Amino acid sequence: GQSLEQPSEVTAVEGAIVQINCTYQTSGFYGLSWYQQHDGGAPTFLSYNALDGLEETGRFSSFLSRSDSYGYLLLQELQMKDSASYFCAVRESGNTPLVFGKGTRLSVIA
Amino acid sequence: NAGVTQTPKFQVLKTGQSMTLQCAQDMNHNSMYWYRQDPGMGLRLIYYSASEGTTDKGEVPNGYNVSRLNKREFSLRLESAAPSQTSVYFCASSTDQPKRNFGPGTRLTVL
Repeated sequence: GQSLEQPSEVTAVEGAIVQINCTYQTSGFYGLSWYQQHDGGAPTFLSYNALDGLEETGRFSSFLSRSDSYGYLLLQELQMKDSASYFCAVRESGNTPLVFGKGTRLSVIA
Repeated sequence: NAGVTQTPKFQVLKTGQSMTLQCAQDMNHNSMYWYRQDPGMGLRLIYYSASEGTTDKGEVPNGYNVSRLNKREFSLRLESAAPSQTSVYFCASSTDQPKRNFGPGTRLTVL
């Protein structure tokens, strides 16, 4: 089976940096993805890591360490609009569907 | 492009009633998925279709059936709705890449 662990809630101050961690247990590994979901909205794709290291897309970065079965999403220069839920997701192989974590609710406060 | 569309947006059913949730995508994606989302449970896969003509069970398939009508359309049917199926249902599509394109969701309440 597969399991993903991420914190249920995180609070951070506007303008600050926040890191959302994700640890996973899978029999195989075919990449770690991150999705953002605003209240009442649909999940939207943020990033994907197949190899170890950091991927940067604007204010968002995602990191993966396959040896530690661990990744994180880093959000810099936080804005109020970043308040949302963030989900990590993994695939065990190229032929298996994504499995999502339960999500981390990020609240950005002034 | 409209992306992934779902109908209806909202639905209230009585226990035992049946209904079909419709999903269509215009991105020429091979794979399509149905997820349900409940508070604190994240997104759980109900069924998926890796290509036209194929369907497979996901994590929580009981109580549901699906049809991949053609490459564009993937419907989810509840034959006899139960209160435990009250949820938000998302359809998604993808190529063989990890990015999923989600529809806006259907909010279903079963009384």
